[in-house]
Amino acid sequence: GQQVMQIPQYQHVQEGEDFTTYCNSSTTLSNIQWYKQRPGGHPVFLIQLVKSGEVKKQKRLTFQFGEAKKNSSLHITATQTTDVGTYFCAVVSGSARQLTFGSGTQLTVLP
Amino acid sequence: NAGVTQTPKFQVLKTGQSMTLQCAQDMNHNSMYWYRQDPGMGLRLIYYSASEGTTDKGEVPNGYNVSRLNKREFSLRLESAAPSQTSVYFCASISGQPFGAFFGQGTRLTVV
Repeated sequence: GQQVMQIPQYQHVQEGEDFTTYCNSSTTLSNIQWYKQRPGGHPVFLIQLVKSGEVKKQKRLTFQFGEAKKNSSLHITATQTTDVGTYFCAVVSGSARQLTFGSGTQLTVLP
Repeated sequence: NAGVTQTPKFQVLKTGQSMTLQCAQDMNHNSMYWYRQDPGMGLRLIYYSASEGTTDKGEVPNGYNVSRLNKREFSLRLESAAPSQTSVYFCASISGQPFGAFFGQGTRLTVV
């Protein structure tokens, strides 16, 4: 399956600051998905991107898929304490639909 | 709509014991997955199944077996548990549409 590298591993921000996590691949991706996992919880699907240069927004969250479809980012504007958790990118690949996750970025928001 | 149901939620095993983690989904999804999550290691794919009767190895299959007897259920078996298998295990399923995966609540397994 396709591999994705995610950075940073950890990020601490003050409430109200912005946050960005990046997902990179050495190969062209057919799609990229983003998930959020709250502490002690299970991953929850946020969004899927499939088109080159695609940008999607969900309230304060902005998701981008690179022009070459080798990278993606999740940007949170004006973080809130409810944004705390780990954010994962993931890719579905192959005819058997293997779903592979990046290592995640753990976000801490300081009040 | 229950979504993805995993049992048990917690389990403590002794080294060498065996057990089966159960997973069932009621969303008529074709693909199902088993992951393990260790601190700082993200979600690592153990096995996955594209349809009833088919299974494929993921990144970390050693020490595990799976069974997809029907579309709803995908079980994970530890034949001889080892302390290195202490982890949180998640089952997930995904539809054929371009939507994301639904996850179960997880099984917290400790092997002593």
